[in-house]
Amino acid sequence: DQQVKQNSPSLSVQEGRISILNCDYTNSMFDYFLWYKKYPAEGPTFLISISSIKDKNEDGRFTVFLNKSAKHLSLHIVPSQPGDSAVYFCAASSSNSGYALNFGKGTSLLVTP
Amino acid sequence: GAGVSQTPSNKVTEKGKYVELRCDPISGHTALYWYRQSLGQGPEFLIYFQGTGAADDSGLPNDRFFAVRPEGSVSTLKIQRTERGDSAMYLCASSLLAARSYNEQFFGPGTRLTVL
Repeated sequence: DQQVKQNSPSLSVQEGRISILNCDYTNSMFDYFLWYKKYPAEGPTFLISISSIKDKNEDGRFTVFLNKSAKHLSLHIVPSQPGDSAVYFCAASSSNSGYALNFGKGTSLLVTP
Repeated sequence: GAGVSQTPSNKVTEKGKYVELRCDPISGHTALYWYRQSLGQGPEFLIYFQGTGAADDSGLPNDRFFAVRPEGSVSTLKIQRTERGDSAMYLCASSLLAARSYNEQFFGPGTRLTVL
């Protein structure tokens, strides 16, 4: 069963606008959440993370929001740039399982000039 | 410094054959993870090593799959009697330490396995 869900397989955004990628999870034992970015023919690259004790983490143009009561997190990219075009994976982990990552299916983001 | 490397980058084999996939983690990383990514899916956890021992192999799909890390560095994922359903991208990741707090996992480029 899919414990991490990304319900939007694709998203298209104009350059300069905000990109919002969403993720839902079901396992309440998850205590660390991450976003990875993946280009074709490469492994996933870490982008940003958030611990379950926080509700927001910001790093430059990237901000991750966590709503534990709704078991929902989102990634905001502002402003979006064409180089941001990639597949974005949401992942969740638990200290109980050595932080093995549980991934969603990914959202393909296209930022158009 | 060198990142995680995986060899081969591509492997084509016939149904029923045995394959080995190799992962060289970042030097000094004690935790090593194997994931499998099928088309249109996110990576799926297979097994995790802390040092030489497999700390969690709950993600291995069946007993045809086995992984070792004899010296706590390089790891080999072994698949016996391959089936067409084993075709996927196999990803390896390493991190400094996984026991007490999250450490960033660095991924290799993966091995694309195709079983004909």
